[in-house]
Amino acid sequence: GEDVEQSLFLSVREGDSSVINCTYTDSSSTYLYWYKQEPGAGLQLLTYIFSNMDMKQDQRLTVLLNKKDKHLSLRIADTQTGDSAIYFCAESHNYGGSQGNLIFGKGTKLSVKP
Amino acid sequence: DGGITQSPKYLFRKEGQNVTLSCEQNLNHDAMYWYRQDPGQGLRLIYYSQIVNDFQKGDIAEGYSVSREKKESFPLTVTSAQKNPTAFYLCASSHGNQDRVQETQYFGPGTRLLVL
Repeated sequence: GEDVEQSLFLSVREGDSSVINCTYTDSSSTYLYWYKQEPGAGLQLLTYIFSNMDMKQDQRLTVLLNKKDKHLSLRIADTQTGDSAIYFCAESHNYGGSQGNLIFGKGTKLSVKP
Repeated sequence: DGGITQSPKYLFRKEGQNVTLSCEQNLNHDAMYWYRQDPGQGLRLIYYSQIVNDFQKGDIAEGYSVSREKKESFPLTVTSAQKNPTAFYLCASSHGNQDRVQETQYFGPGTRLLVL
């Protein structure tokens, strides 16, 4: 079945780069997403990438996609304490004929130390 | 301000009681979703609706019910049949245009349900 895997924890120092990794299994996924969740809050969309792209950059965020290995990564440059949160990887899933449904990983908790 | 609102922020349920969680959006989105989040479990889909007056079961629909009488509203009822309802509940919406493959979901702030 479809599954999205992420490591559960990542700890970095302020100013360093953070790399959060994700693997997925559904080769028919058209879009892959990164969401951020701060404590007690909903999910905030950070970025997404179309499956025919290798890389997407948006300010401090860089998304790399290796479609052959079904591996997705999110790099945060110059990580700040405000980046501390849980980061979810998600793949689009054809559920009931709609690509709008998402399968989420369990989330990676990023801790940024000053 | 356009967005998704959920109420209440915290909800307490007594044993054997049904409770209803509210979700409203003013984004003019056709599709709406309900997820349940447990610690270390990520998000699991409960129900989704692609259009008014229509909804479909997700992966963990047992013990829950929904309605979609209006485009902007998608309330979730947690029934007494749901034996382990304590969780964080998230509502989301998306454009729902069937011709458009990319369907970003936008999330509400969540409701935390606790059992007394």
